[in-house]
Amino acid sequence: DQQVKQNSPSLSVQEGRISILNCDYTNSMFDYFLWYKKYPAEGPTFLISISSIKDKNEDGRFTVFLNKSAKHLSLHIVPSQPGDSAVYFCAAVTSGSRLTFGEGTQLTVNP
Amino acid sequence: GAVVSQHPSRVICKSGTSVKIECRSLDFQATTMFWYRQFPKQSLMLMATSNEGSKATYEQGVEKDKFLINHASLTLSTLTVTSAHPEDSSFYICSAPDRTGGQGQPQHFGDGTRLSIL
Repeated sequence: DQQVKQNSPSLSVQEGRISILNCDYTNSMFDYFLWYKKYPAEGPTFLISISSIKDKNEDGRFTVFLNKSAKHLSLHIVPSQPGDSAVYFCAAVTSGSRLTFGEGTQLTVNP
Repeated sequence: GAVVSQHPSRVICKSGTSVKIECRSLDFQATTMFWYRQFPKQSLMLMATSNEGSKATYEQGVEKDKFLINHASLTLSTLTVTSAHPEDSSFYICSAPDRTGGQGQPQHFGDGTRLSIL
């Protein structure tokens, strides 16, 4: 039972444009949502998070939107840069610090 | 710099070998650490929660006798894959909650261990 789903395995955008990565979840008990970025042969690195009581959180070029009624969140990166090319994981937290991850989306930003 | 160190980064060994993977928190104490496994093009799946001073908590379907976890100190957790077989080949990653704690705080991940069983 995949409680966190990222339905797009890959996304390709042009440098300078907006990248939108999507994530859906089924468990209404999730309290926090986080986005991680992962390069090959490295562990994930934290990008941005959002509490379930908010609908938007912004940090520089990264903005996360949460739509609780739709059980959907998205990560917007603008402007996209070639260095943003990586796999992006959506993750959700219920009890304690246990994370449930989505499958990941490979973002490629073309120069 | 890295706050969680995982070693080794890559292991290639014969079937039947036991392999130990170490996860260290470098400048903070971690009473809890997590072990994940990732198959190619799939999500990171939580295997177990490592608890300092007590037994690990395993997720459903994870064999306790196969994947031995020891949280020996506040900065070290080890995962031992016992009598490894080719189907155990995978990418194993550990993490520790941020030192500030809190449910929404990010976890710090090691760089992972690529295990290949021949």
